[in-house]
Amino acid sequence: GQQVMQIPQYQHVQEGEDFTTYCNSSTTLSNIQWYKQRPGGHPVFLIQLVKSGEVKKQKRLTFQFGEAKKNSSLHITATQTTDVGTYFCAVPLTNDYKLSFGAGTTVTVRA
Amino acid sequence: EAQVTQNPRYLITVTGKKLTVTCSQNMNHEYMSWYRQDPGLGLRQIYYSMNVEVTDKGDVPEGYKVSRKEKRNFPLILESPSPNQTSLYFCASSKGLASNEQFFGPGTRLTVL
Repeated sequence: GQQVMQIPQYQHVQEGEDFTTYCNSSTTLSNIQWYKQRPGGHPVFLIQLVKSGEVKKQKRLTFQFGEAKKNSSLHITATQTTDVGTYFCAVPLTNDYKLSFGAGTTVTVRA
Repeated sequence: EAQVTQNPRYLITVTGKKLTVTCSQNMNHEYMSWYRQDPGLGLRQIYYSMNVEVTDKGDVPEGYKVSRKEKRNFPLILESPSPNQTSLYFCASSKGLASNEQFFGPGTRLTVL
């Protein structure tokens, strides 16, 4: 089963507003990855977080790894229509052989 | 161009008729895996392969088989498809192991009647 809980499942955002999606685990994670899937497309890698408390930015996207390495967040500032899609977190398991994805947060944007 | 290819992209079949979905990558990646995507469930790993001739079950392996006879190819086989295997399937590859950036194929939409 899924090792990470991702919330919310859906996010309806007014263009220009900010939003955050979260991934939570009951166990300590070695690292966490984030992917974006546009409607009708395939998942595309965004970033990997490895260090406790790590914060990385990609333009309007800010990724954070919790101090205890049990949770992570993706914050998008000033949402645009190009941000539409589903955002997934993914964590490696079983000595780095398996990869478990969260259920995803599907984002829609109101112009 | 570095890529992962899958064929076919769309397939409608009937219960019990064996089928194979092919996956090929041109990046010399060691790790390859198959996922199915269903609404509300995200991506669930079916099988993965750490290298040639080394494969193992993911979270939902029942009803599927795989093989890894060459580094670039990782076909997914459904010996006797059933309607509950109707789904969107993705193949992915990465250098090294699961914690590295995964490169996904375009997906195969399978319908089993």
